[in-house]
Amino acid sequence: DTAVSQTPKYLVTQMGNDKSIKCEQNLGHDTMYWYKQDSKKFLKIMFSYNNKELIINETVPNRFSPKSPDKAHLNLHINSLELGDSAVYFCASSLSPSNSPLHFGNGTRLTVT
Amino acid sequence: AQRVTQPEKLLSVFKGAPVELKCNYSYSGSPELFWYVQYSRQRLQLLLRHISRESIKGFTADLNKGETSFHLKKPFAQEEDSAMYYCALKFGGSARQLTFGSGTQLTVLP
Repeated sequence: DTAVSQTPKYLVTQMGNDKSIKCEQNLGHDTMYWYKQDSKKFLKIMFSYNNKELIINETVPNRFSPKSPDKAHLNLHINSLELGDSAVYFCASSLSPSNSPLHFGNGTRLTVT
Repeated sequence: AQRVTQPEKLLSVFKGAPVELKCNYSYSGSPELFWYVQYSRQRLQLLLRHISRESIKGFTADLNKGETSFHLKKPFAQEEDSAMYYCALKFGGSARQLTFGSGTQLTVLP
C-alpha cells in the first residue's frame, strides 16, 4: 500500500517530556514536510526536507527538531513539551519542492497535559 | 502578506441542492490554487487544482482574479461529499509558500 504513514496516531504526554513522531513515505518522493494544525484548524508548515536536506525551517521553537535519515523518512522530535504544543501534526510528501500536490499522512494528535 | 480566507467554518446543505464553498485569497502575483479534502477518518488529499481546469467528483472551481476568489462548486450535493474542505494558495516554487485556509466543514443532509 503506497502512502505516507506516521506513528503514533495519538500521543498523550505530560508537560516537560520529550517525544518523537515518525513518518515514512514509500511513494518515491524527494521532499517531505511537517505541518501543524492548531485548534482553529489552520495548517501551517513547520519544516521541509528535500533529499535529506533541510530546505524550510519556519518560525518554530528550537525544541522541535526534525531528522531525516533518508529521503523516505522524516521524524519530528519535540523536547520539553508545553501545553501549547497540543495539536495535530501532519507529515506530507511531494515529488519535489516545487511539484505539488502534497500527499498527507493521517496525522498525529498530540495532547500535552 | 499572502493569505487564504474561507469565511464559512460550517456549511450544511440538503442532498441534491447546489453547494458553494467560498475561498478568497490575497496575493499580488500569479497564484496557484488548490482544494484539498479530508473525509471522515481519512487523510487530507488533493481534490482539484485550478491549473487542471477539471471536474473531480462533480466539483469545479474557477479562479477569478478580479475578485481574488476560487470558490468550489457542485450543482447537486451528495451525502458522501460531507467532509472538511481546505483551500490552499501556492506562490513561487517552494513549499514554504503553500498557505492553507482554515477549512470549511461541509455536511450534506439526507
